[in-house]
Amino acid sequence: TQLLEQSPQFLSIQEGENLTVYCNSSSVFSSLQWYRQEPGEGPVLLVTVVTGGEVKKLKRLTFQFGDARKDSSLHITAAQPGDTGLYLCAGEGDSNYQLIWGAGTKLIIKP
Amino acid sequence: ETGVTQTPRHLVMGMTNKKSLKCEQHLGHNAMYWYKQSAKKPLELMFVYNFKEQTENNSVPSRFSPECPNSSHLFLHLHTLQPEDSALYLCASSIGTSGRYYEQYFGPGTRLTVT
Repeated sequence: TQLLEQSPQFLSIQEGENLTVYCNSSSVFSSLQWYRQEPGEGPVLLVTVVTGGEVKKLKRLTFQFGDARKDSSLHITAAQPGDTGLYLCAGEGDSNYQLIWGAGTKLIIKP
Repeated sequence: ETGVTQTPRHLVMGMTNKKSLKCEQHLGHNAMYWYKQSAKKPLELMFVYNFKEQTENNSVPSRFSPECPNSSHLFLHLHTLQPEDSALYLCASSIGTSGRYYEQYFGPGTRLTVT
């Protein structure tokens, strides 16, 4: 069974600080997606990484796919209150029609 | 309307009631999904429809019954639910089911409370 573990489960920091959240597995994934979910809303896709070692940037957010395609990280520079939300990773694994989801990192950025 | 819409946004039902959740996507996608989201747990995939055909049913209890009349609409019919079924039910769609086509577009969800 393929699993994705996200860490930390919860993170609360001050505005302006940097942070990194992780999405780890012992399994290889064809691709990995990151989503952000705000309270009362569905998840919104941020990025998809496909190639081992790939780095993608979305403004202050930097996403990296591990060389072996088993893990990924999300780094936020100078966090802002608008970054608050639940960050979810999801991997395309072996099963057809199913993404493997992590349980999420709940991020709170305090003004 | 754009994107993926879900109705109702909130639903409170007794264990003996019958209700339905509705999802509509305006993106021209071919695959649609029902997920259950509970606190601190990964999203649980319930059903997948690809080109209107059900392709996955992840051992979901029969008290949940999906219906996909066309590629734009998806329903989840509920009957004799249990309190542990209380959760956020999310509908999603994607262009396809591999690679970049697998990127999911979610609706806002229905917050279901079973009393």
